[in-house]
Amino acid sequence: EAGVVQSPRYKIIEKKQPVAFWCNPISGHNTLYWYLQNLGQGPELLIRYENEEAVDDSQLPKDRFSAERLKGVDSTLKIQPAELGDSAVYLCASSLYSGQSSYNEQFFGPGTRLTVL
Amino acid sequence: SQKIEQNSEALNIQEGKTATLTCNYTNYSPAYLQWYRQDPGRGPVFLLLIRENEKEKRKERLKVTFDTTLKQSLFHITASQPADSATYLCALGSNDMRFGAGTRLTVKP
Repeated sequence: EAGVVQSPRYKIIEKKQPVAFWCNPISGHNTLYWYLQNLGQGPELLIRYENEEAVDDSQLPKDRFSAERLKGVDSTLKIQPAELGDSAVYLCASSLYSGQSSYNEQFFGPGTRLTVL
Repeated sequence: SQKIEQNSEALNIQEGKTATLTCNYTNYSPAYLQWYRQDPGRGPVFLLLIRENEKEKRKERLKVTFDTTLKQSLFHITASQPADSATYLCALGSNDMRFGAGTRLTVKP
């Protein structure tokens, strides 16, 4: 079974340019997460989807970041315009949601490493 | 504010010894605590989950303890091998998971 797929794996752009990351979760997983991971730090949640609904986007910088999951399957995270401080690894994860009081194991993709020059 | 601290950035041990990693947290009462392994250029991989009503969990050479009074989890790798070299992350919660910064473990032959 394929894991979480992300593309591109690497992206180098100049500041003020737009950039987009794509994620295809594990088949059947209804919950999708985007995380940001800075060097030497743990992942930080940006947004969580249950099916096509964004149920937690409190940490998403909405002035420049946007995300969508139109059909409840794959998802795109966009930054426009990118800033130097956005250089990081952007991780996507998915899980099979089984209820608020249950533990839902998350499976991570390899991430997209963004460098903003 | 909620804080998760892992004891050190890096830990170096000799092959065959037991590695012990620490995760402390404040201002949080998580129902779940997990440990993940992350290799360079890869996403985190789930290793073990322990619930708030459990004291200890084992899986092969791995052991996790969870002390909700001390607000601390210990992660042990017994009979360590060079292949265990990686960064280990603790994470609290489930859907709203919060990660520590990780400890980079190096096991020397």
